[in-house]
Amino acid sequence: NAGVTQTPKFQVLKTGQSMTLQCAQDMNHEYMSWYRQDPGMGLRLIHYSVGAGITDQGEVPNGYNVSRSTTEDFPLRLLSAAPSQTSVYFCASRLTGKDQPQHFGDGTRLSIL
Amino acid sequence: EDQVTQSPEALRLQEGESSSLNCSYTVSGLRGLFWYRQDPGKGPEFLFTLYSAGEEKEKERLKATLTKKESFLHITAPKPEDSATYLCAVQTHSSGSARQLTFGSGTQLTVLP
Repeated sequence: NAGVTQTPKFQVLKTGQSMTLQCAQDMNHEYMSWYRQDPGMGLRLIHYSVGAGITDQGEVPNGYNVSRSTTEDFPLRLLSAAPSQTSVYFCASRLTGKDQPQHFGDGTRLSIL
Repeated sequence: EDQVTQSPEALRLQEGESSSLNCSYTVSGLRGLFWYRQDPGKGPEFLFTLYSAGEEKEKERLKATLTKKESFLHITAPKPEDSATYLCAVQTHSSGSARQLTFGSGTQLTVLP
C-alpha cells in the first residue's frame, strides 16, 4: 500500500514551458486535491476533485489545469510556466466520510527559471 | 474570510523542555481543527482532529486542546525526533461539500539534544 505517490520529485522548467505533475493514490479515496506550499504562506488549495469526472477550483487555480478520469489519478498541468509558480506542490487524498483526514504525498519541488 | 494564524513561527527547545504551540483562528463556524506534522522534504502527516471547545486529544508526548478561538499543541518533555514543522488547519461549515481545509503557515520546532 503506497498511499499517495507524486512524480517527479524535482523539476526545473523554463518560463513558458508546460508540464504535468503526476499524482496517484491506491487507497480508493474519492476526494483528491492539489496544494502549493510557499514560505510563510502555508498550504493553498489549487484544485480539487470529489470523484472521477468531477473537478473544481480552489483558492489559487490560475495557470493550472486538472482532470480526473479515474479514481486513482489526479494530474496537475501547468499550461505555460511562470516564475511565480516556483513552489512545492502537494497532492492529497481522503475518504469523503465525516471529517476524514487528508493523506499527503511527499511533494514535487518545482523551479521555474 | 477564514484565517488561521500560528505562533511562534519558530521555536527552539532543549530536550525535555516542555512548551506549547498556538493556532488561533477566525472562521464563520468551525467544523473541525486539524493538526499535522511535516518533516523536511516530506508531506504533512495527520496527528489530530478536534471538533468542539474543551476537547483534548493525546498522542505520545503531544496533547492538542481547543477553545472557541484557538488551539494549543502541548509538547511534554520533547525529544530531538519531535523536531518538525507543525501545521494546523480548519474546516468550516462554509467549506462547501468538498470540506476544504484552510492551513496556517506552521511552527518550525527544533529540539536540541
